[in-house]
Amino acid sequence: EAQVTQNPRYLITVTGKKLTVTCSQNMNHEYMSWYRQDPGLGLRQIYYSMNVEVTDKGDVPEGYKVSRKEKRNFPLILESPSPNQTSLYFCASSFRADNYNEQFFGPGTRLTVL
Amino acid sequence: GNSVTQMEGPVTLSEEAFLTINCTYTATGYPSLFWYVQYPGEGLQLLLKATKADDKGSNKGFEATYRKETTSFHLEKGSVQVSDSAVYFCALTQNTGFQKLVFGTGTRLLVSP
Repeated sequence: EAQVTQNPRYLITVTGKKLTVTCSQNMNHEYMSWYRQDPGLGLRQIYYSMNVEVTDKGDVPEGYKVSRKEKRNFPLILESPSPNQTSLYFCASSFRADNYNEQFFGPGTRLTVL
Repeated sequence: GNSVTQMEGPVTLSEEAFLTINCTYTATGYPSLFWYVQYPGEGLQLLLKATKADDKGSNKGFEATYRKETTSFHLEKGSVQVSDSAVYFCALTQNTGFQKLVFGTGTRLLVSP
């Protein structure tokens, strides 16, 4: 089944404890992206990747890192999480980066930073 | 910059009622427009899209028409079902070859039997 998977689905952590949220897609997509969803703000892009080893900042990159060493994986790294990073995170992918390609979203990761 | 404005929710309807969720946008050039739906506990799914003015996107009984003159892309359905209860997001991308989705804040729809 074609899908985007994220792990973990739920995570409660404490301030300053490094964490990684994994994202994997099995559709051989070039483009991958991370969003955060907050009430009243919709979804905002954190980072994106046009292809392997090519990543760039989105609208709200502060406090986050990403890597794209393989085409299928795009982990989101929080080196020192803070409470303002409590949010619902979505990974998405599409065949290419042009705007005619549908983006497929993962099921989401709900992160709470205490 | 580009932006999308949606009506605030929740929108509460009875089954078989007519649905309209308003969406207007601000963008330079000629964006592509999308409606995504998020069912409880799930990620977003593309519902429909339109890539140029006067195009009508449709899927699962939902429709939206790209109106350049009013910069709008309102979502409509003639008869909603309980299973349509979800959060609906309007979004756009620029037609510049690079897909960056700009989302509205989302509108929650609650349909009661």
